[in-house]
Amino acid sequence: AQTVTQSQPEMSVQEAETVTLSCTYDTSESDYYLFWYKQPPSRQMILVIRQEAYKQQNATENRFSVNFQKAAKSFSLKISDSQLGDAAMYFCAYRDLERKYGNKLVFGAGTILRVKS
Amino acid sequence: DVKVTQSSRYLVKRTGEKVFLECVQDMDHENMFWYRQDPGLGLRLIYFSYDVKMKEKGDIPEGYSVSREKKERFSLILESASTNQTSMYLCASSVGSVSGNTIYFGEGSWLTVV
Repeated sequence: AQTVTQSQPEMSVQEAETVTLSCTYDTSESDYYLFWYKQPPSRQMILVIRQEAYKQQNATENRFSVNFQKAAKSFSLKISDSQLGDAAMYFCAYRDLERKYGNKLVFGAGTILRVKS
Repeated sequence: DVKVTQSSRYLVKRTGEKVFLECVQDMDHENMFWYRQDPGLGLRLIYFSYDVKMKEKGDIPEGYSVSREKKERFSLILESASTNQTSMYLCASSVGSVSGNTIYFGEGSWLTVV
């Protein structure tokens, strides 16, 4: 079964600085998707960024970028120019391409990001 | 905007009660999911459905059942609530069978079983 591991329960960053959240995963599949979701105190899950495993180029969305290392099964999230609104729980998630799994997301335990002003 | 609505945000139920958590999506999505979220464990899949009347067990289905009689509605049922089911429950939906499609989440239902 696929598993996702986030080894950092909490991280802190100073406003305007850069922070990297770590994620590793385990799968025997070669094609899949990886995601980072943000969950602010409102509890509404928000998609931050998505990476297709077959793409070598790392995904980027404004201040958010990933470092995808397929061989190492690593998928870290870098947040540049951190803002107070970035404070939230961040979840790394994996999704198979195979319909037999119902396209479900497998989540890590989450990392709480605190932003200091 | 896609909207996934969970009708009850906060519930307090007694041990042994039957509990219904309702979820409605307004975008004609085929897939619907129920997750529970617990500190240090992330989100764990309870059940999912990829069509009306179709359901599949997730990773932690014990003590739960689901119902999907209409495409837009997916209900989670706790037949006999227990204190270890105190948690936050998240409903989600997505289009069809393409894995890259975004999954949309509701705002969550906080359930306390006393």
